[in-house]
Amino acid sequence: GENVEQHPSTLSVQEGDSAVIKCTYSDSASNYFPWYKQELGKGPQLIIDIRSNVGEKKDQRIAVTLNKTAKHFSLHITETQPEDSAVYFCAARGDGNQFYFGTGTSLTVIP
Amino acid sequence: ETGVTQTPRHLVMGMTNKKSLKCEQHLGHNAMYWYKQSAKKPLELMFVYNFKEQTENNSVPSRFSPECPNSSHLFLHLHTLQPEDSALYLCASSQFGTGNSPLHFGNGTRLTVT
Repeated sequence: GENVEQHPSTLSVQEGDSAVIKCTYSDSASNYFPWYKQELGKGPQLIIDIRSNVGEKKDQRIAVTLNKTAKHFSLHITETQPEDSAVYFCAARGDGNQFYFGTGTSLTVIP
Repeated sequence: ETGVTQTPRHLVMGMTNKKSLKCEQHLGHNAMYWYKQSAKKPLELMFVYNFKEQTENNSVPSRFSPECPNSSHLFLHLHTLQPEDSALYLCASSQFGTGNSPLHFGNGTRLTVT
């Protein structure tokens, strides 16, 4: 099956700086890669996603890049704000509509 | 407000109790999922229902019993649980068969087994 690895596990940045979270996957058949943000006491919420036929996607301060050859994808958050502090999860969708998740990155934005 | 509602939000139960978790989705999706979230671990898929039919059971112990009476409701029946079953249980839904549909999660039930 698919194996998704996520790094780093914790990340602290100063407000206004950028944050980058990286994930790798093992199954070349995976074709869809969502990113989720989980705040304390809540379930994961979709923030951005990318399909395998696209190399980059941007939505305001959030962007995701995908390198199919190297089997890795990254989340980029620019101009970070304290409300960006949360746990972020990457995921890859393999065969059978099953999603495989990374172990999460706890992001802290220091005011 | 999330389109996936889970109740209760918190549950404390003894090892000999029987309880049920409930999930309802208001998104018109045809697939529903149970995930277990433990500290320092990836989300663990427990069960998947597509069109009310169970399609995945990832070696989950029989003390967890799912039920999907229709495409909008999902239950997880619990009995004789172990302390290691304490975790956040997340329900999710998606639209299966229409391309790349993401999972939509509820806010979870925080379960503590004493």
